[in-house]
Parts: sequence; structure tokens; C-alpha cells
Amino acid sequence: EPEVTQTPSHQVTQMGQEVILRCVPISNHLYFYWYRQILGQKVEFLVSFYNNEISEKSEIFDDQFSVERPDGSNFTLKIRSTKLEDSAMYFCAREDRGNSPLHFGNGTRLTVT
Amino acid sequence: SQELEQSPQSLIVQEGKNLTINCTSSKTLYGLYWYKQKYGEGLIFLMMLQKGGEEKSHEKITAKLDEKKQQSSLHITASQPSHAGIYLCGAYDGGSQGNLIFGKGTKLSVKP
Repeated sequence: EPEVTQTPSHQVTQMGQEVILRCVPISNHLYFYWYRQILGQKVEFLVSFYNNEISEKSEIFDDQFSVERPDGSNFTLKIRSTKLEDSAMYFCAREDRGNSPLHFGNGTRLTVT
Repeated sequence: SQELEQSPQSLIVQEGKNLTINCTSSKTLYGLYWYKQKYGEGLIFLMMLQKGGEEKSHEKITAKLDEKKQQSSLHITASQPSHAGIYLCGAYDGGSQGNLIFGKGTKLSVKP
């Protein structure tokens, strides 16, 4: 069983719509990450989140993306205006402490039509 | 930026056979992580290697880190159908926190 639960497992949306992907870690951790994997390509880093702030982000994580932890539990990734090229698997990950392995959720498959 | 190259890209082996997957980094490795992914699912952590020469084993899977060669290998002994999946190596880009980069993966199929 994954130590991180992601919802929904599959999301279909129309281009230009906003989507929110959710991640619920089973235990209380401080380090969270979002990664994505476009079909047939590498798993790519999007953003890291520590102590309720973004600590690092990649070039992919532009102004269309945002993350927050609104209720101290759920960790969300919002894409404001989806594009076709946003179609991918999005993975949430948590880390117990610095430089320890990342533990991934099962992902949300986002399809933008 | 750092790149991880995995070889082979795909592998088909007969059940019971041994196999090795390699991961080579373009830059100095500050630790190396191995994950397994089944199609359409998340990444499952297998092993973490942090020191040159380090070797770790879990069940029939052994991973080694050669820091000088900037390379790691994953060896499976007596493969089983349950070993099938995509094996990914990951490393922190330049040692930065959180920015774990991955290789393209090696797809392993095990024929019963």
C-alpha cells in the first residue's frame, strides 16, 4: 500500500479548465514533492514544499501551477488553465527527512482534451 | 544539468535467469536511488546507495554504487515474473534538495 494517497486516480478535463490534484500523506511529514511523467518520458521534478513553503521548483512549474497545503493535511497541485501538453501522470511524494528516499503515491492520470 | 542514462532500455529474460541493469551519471553522484514502477502506477522505493563501493541487497535484488565510475548497477538473481516492471534510477541533481532526477527506465519482462 502506498504511503501517500492521491485523488482522483484519473481526471479528464477540457483545455483551459482549472484542475486540482490532491495528495494525502498517511502520517505527518514536512517535505512534499510533485513530479510528473508524460507518457513514454522520464519522471520529472516539478516542485518541493517544505514547512508550508515552496523550497525549490523546476522550469516546468510556471505561473500556471501552484501548490498549497490548505488544511495542514491535504497537499494540492493546481493547474490554472490546462493545456494539452499538461496531460501526464502526476505523482505526489513525501520524504521523512532530508536526503532520505522519496515515497510516491500511485499518481493521478490527467487527460486534457 | 545532470543526466542519468540507463541500459538496457528493455530486457526480456526467462524465469530463473540472472540480469543486470546499469545506470550511469553525467556528473558526480551524491547518492543513488532505485525504484520500480508498474505500468500506470507509482514508484516503489527499492534501495538507496550513498557511499562509493556500497552494496545493498533486498531479497534477490542487489544494487552497487561505483562513485568513481559515476555508475550504479542493479542485479536480479533467479528472476521471477513478479520482478517484471520498469526499473528507474534516480539521483539528486547537483546534490540539491528535492530535485530528484530519473533515468528513462529499463523495462523488464520475465517469461515464465
